[in-house]
Amino acid sequence: DGGITQSPKYLFRKEGQNVTLSCEQNLNHDAMYWYRQDPGQGLRLIYYSQIVNDFQKGDIAEGYSVSREKKESFPLTVTSAQKNPTAFYLCASSTRAVLSGANVLTFGAGSRLTVL
Amino acid sequence: AQKITQTQPGMFVQEKEAVTLDCTYDTSDQSYGLFWYKQPSSGEMIFLIYQGSYDEQNATEGRYSLNFQKARKSANLVISASQLGDSAMYFCAMRDSLDSGNTPLVFGKGTRLSVIA
Repeated sequence: DGGITQSPKYLFRKEGQNVTLSCEQNLNHDAMYWYRQDPGQGLRLIYYSQIVNDFQKGDIAEGYSVSREKKESFPLTVTSAQKNPTAFYLCASSTRAVLSGANVLTFGAGSRLTVL
Repeated sequence: AQKITQTQPGMFVQEKEAVTLDCTYDTSDQSYGLFWYKQPSSGEMIFLIYQGSYDEQNATEGRYSLNFQKARKSANLVISASQLGDSAMYFCAMRDSLDSGNTPLVFGKGTRLSVIA
């Protein structure tokens, strides 16, 4: 079945360490996205990529980095510069729909990062 | 800048009753799309329904319908015949500039719905 796989599901990190969250999709979607979710908050955009080898910063990109070397993969690195990295991270993908604008985002199951 | 407002942090509804979850939006674009997602306790985001700004009729998908009032900039989700499995967080989201293709969605803060037996 097609879908988005995020790993790991749970991750613990010591302060000062970088950590990379994996996101892989087999939907042949062009665009991929990373969102962060905190309790009581909606989803906030970290980075997104509309095509391979290109990506744009979202609203809260500071302390994060991404790469898009393959269409299927969009890993997110949480660096030590991110002051409050404990959160739930959601990866999504989409493709251009027949109806302009109705590009539904398909989400992975999420990765929960806890900084100790 | 786009903005989505969901004013109800939490809602309760009796099983088999209908419930309306509020969503208002702010955009200067004439062409935009509105989405509703459900997030169960497992964390995964599930797409429910979509409404384009030029769609003349309200969108419906099974028990879900979107009450779209363009002049008021509101896009409320109506769930009919609530079921225990409807208990979840519900997020309203928007994409403007529809011709831009795969641009990100902007999300509201969500409403937690609890269905009571």
